[in-house]
Amino acid sequence: NAGVTQTPKFQVLKTGQSMTLQCAQDMNHNSMYWYRQDPGMGLRLIYYSASEGTTDKGEVPNGYNVSRLNKREFSLRLESAAPSQTSVYFCASSEVGYTDTQYFGPGTRLTVL
Amino acid sequence: ELKVEQNPLFLSMQEGKNYTIYCNYSTTSDRLYWYRQDPGKSLESLFVLLSNGAVKQEGRLMASLDTKARLSTLHITAAVHDLSATYFCAVDNNQAGTALIFGKGTTLSVSS
Repeated sequence: NAGVTQTPKFQVLKTGQSMTLQCAQDMNHNSMYWYRQDPGMGLRLIYYSASEGTTDKGEVPNGYNVSRLNKREFSLRLESAAPSQTSVYFCASSEVGYTDTQYFGPGTRLTVL
Repeated sequence: ELKVEQNPLFLSMQEGKNYTIYCNYSTTSDRLYWYRQDPGKSLESLFVLLSNGAVKQEGRLMASLDTKARLSTLHITAAVHDLSATYFCAVDNNQAGTALIFGKGTTLSVSS
C-alpha cells in the first residue's frame, strides 16, 4: 500500500497563476484533509472532507478550493496564487473509528514568486 | 475556538537527560494526538490519547493526558540523538471528520 500520495512534490508559481495539488489514498478512508505548514505556525487546516461528496472549511480556507473527486482523491486548487500561499501543503486521511488517526502524505513544497 | 499551545517551542538537550514537553488546549476534546516530524519530511503518528489518565509509552517517549487540566505531556527519558525532531500535539476539534488543531510544535535537538 502506498498510503497517502501527493503530486507534485515541488512547484514554483508566479503570482496570479493557478494550479491544482493532487492527493490520493489507498486505505479506503472516508475522511481527507488539506493542511498548510508555515515556519513557526504548526499545521493549519485549510479544508476537509468528512466523506465522499462533502467538504468543509477549516481555519484558513481563503484563496483555496477543493474537490472530493471520489473516495480516494481530494484535490486542492489555487485559483490565483499569491506569495502568502508559499508553504508546504500536506494531505491526510483517516477512517472514522476508535482512534481516527490521520495519516499524512509526503507534502508539496509550493513557492509563489 | 479551540486553541492548542505547546511549550517549550525549542529544546536543546544533552544525551542521557530527561525532559518534558507540555501541550495545553483550551476547550473540551475527545482525543489528543502526538506526531513527530523529521526535517523536510512528513508527519508520523506517535500516540493517540483517548481518555483522562491515559498513558502511552514507546521506547524513550511517554505521553499522558489529563482532560480535567486540558493538559498532555510528552516525557523524554535518557534522550538520544535519534530523537532530534519536531514534535506536535494536536487536538480533535469535535467536528465531523476529526479535523485537528495543531500546536506550533517543539523542535528538539539532542547533542552529545
